Amino acid sequence: AIRMTQSPSSLSASTGDRVTITCRASQDIRGYLVWYQQKPGKAPKLLISAASTLQSGVPSRFSGSGSGTDFSLTISSLQSEDFATYYCQQYLDYPLTFGGGTKVEIK
Amino acid sequence: EVQLVESGGGLVQTGGSLRLSCAASGFPFSDRYMDWVRQAPGKGLEWVGRIRKKVNGYTTEYAASVKGRSTISRDDSKNSLYLQMSSLEIEDTAVYYCASTSQSDYSYSGYWGQGTLVTVSS
Repeated sequence: AIRMTQSPSSLSASTGDRVTITCRASQDIRGYLVWYQQKPGKAPKLLISAASTLQSGVPSRFSGSGSGTDFSLTISSLQSEDFATYYCQQYLDYPLTFGGGTKVEIK
Repeated sequence: EVQLVESGGGLVQTGGSLRLSCAASGFPFSDRYMDWVRQAPGKGLEWVGRIRKKVNGYTTEYAASVKGRSTISRDDSKNSLYLQMSSLEIEDTAVYYCASTSQSDYSYSGYWGQGTLVTVSS
């Protein structure tokens, strides 16, 4: 199975900060990567597909980049509603696998 | 509007079985691959499995952790997805989400239900 490693596992940041989360795949997954945002007690929400394609309705402060094995999710200016847990997932091969998550907390 | 509503969760004893359902609306259900994803309390997301559509023979894929004791099925006439699990273990305790994908194997979970909690107890 393809292993997805996210870092950091948690971070503390302030509103307005620029935040970057990284995700590394154990093998080349080309661009078959998505990012989800999950708030407590809620289902995950798709933010970005194909490593860098922003989903409709997702604020432009979110961006994704990367290809191959190294990917990142950047929030350019953190807003209060962005405090959540973020997951990457590869969808190149079965079993589909998620990163362990990054919890973004208020400093 | 896409809606996915899971049901069938609850408390079950170890070694028991359970059938989860997911009612779908607002999109062409029969034309979509469908996923189950679970999340143990306080833990991350784990993909459980996928079922393809009719033209692909309703074939399935499973995570190693549930393979052999889980069956994903669908009833396109009812716009419904199912997950049958047997030989349940404590480690199967989780919120189970159904999710819609697209029309190929290179697809991801675009829309998610609200989840249904399965608690396995000894």
